[in-house]
Amino acid sequence: DVKVTQSSRYLVKRTGEKVFLECVQDMDHENMFWYRQDPGLGLRLIYFSYDVKMKEKGDIPEGYSVSREKKERFSLILESASTNQTSMYLCASSSPGGGHGDTQYFGPGTRLTVL
Amino acid sequence: GNSVTQMEGPVTLSEEAFLTINCTYTATGYPSLFWYVQYPGEGLQLLLKATKADDKGSNKGFEATYRKETTSFHLEKGSVQVSDSAVYFCALRDAGGYNKLIFGAGTRLAVHP
Repeated sequence: DVKVTQSSRYLVKRTGEKVFLECVQDMDHENMFWYRQDPGLGLRLIYFSYDVKMKEKGDIPEGYSVSREKKERFSLILESASTNQTSMYLCASSSPGGGHGDTQYFGPGTRLTVL
Repeated sequence: GNSVTQMEGPVTLSEEAFLTINCTYTATGYPSLFWYVQYPGEGLQLLLKATKADDKGSNKGFEATYRKETTSFHLEKGSVQVSDSAVYFCALRDAGGYNKLIFGAGTRLAVHP
């Protein structure tokens, strides 16, 4: 069974803290993605990576950074957490996708609350 | 740019009712289209997809047909069950490679016995 795991299901942090969200996939996928999910807004792409050490900004990268040192692991970093970053964070992975696109596989999500 | 618009929820139905969740898109060309489902407390999982015009994707009794004339990909099921209660997301594959997806806002479905 394909698997994407995220380090925490629930996380509570203080404003100004540095926060690390970890994602690991076991499918040898090249592509990995970080989204945030907010009611009424669907999923919005924060960052993605198409190879080790390679990263691209998504639609809402401000206030976030990422790291991909190994193929199976993709980390999302909140340099200085703020209350407006309270959200559900979802990680996904996929193979590169041919002409029609391949399935993205999602982790269970991390619900982050910033106080 | 590309975008996806879904009908607003929540949609509340009785068991065995017919379901339609509307989805329309704006895109250049003919992107692949997807429906993902998110059950309570879980991440998203692919429900079905269609890769070209007039294709019909189907899975678990759900169906959606890629209509290029109306730029739509409506999700349908003939008889819903309580276990179908979830949030449903329509998505399209963005141009530019990397298998990026653009998602709609999601539609919550609640099915009552």
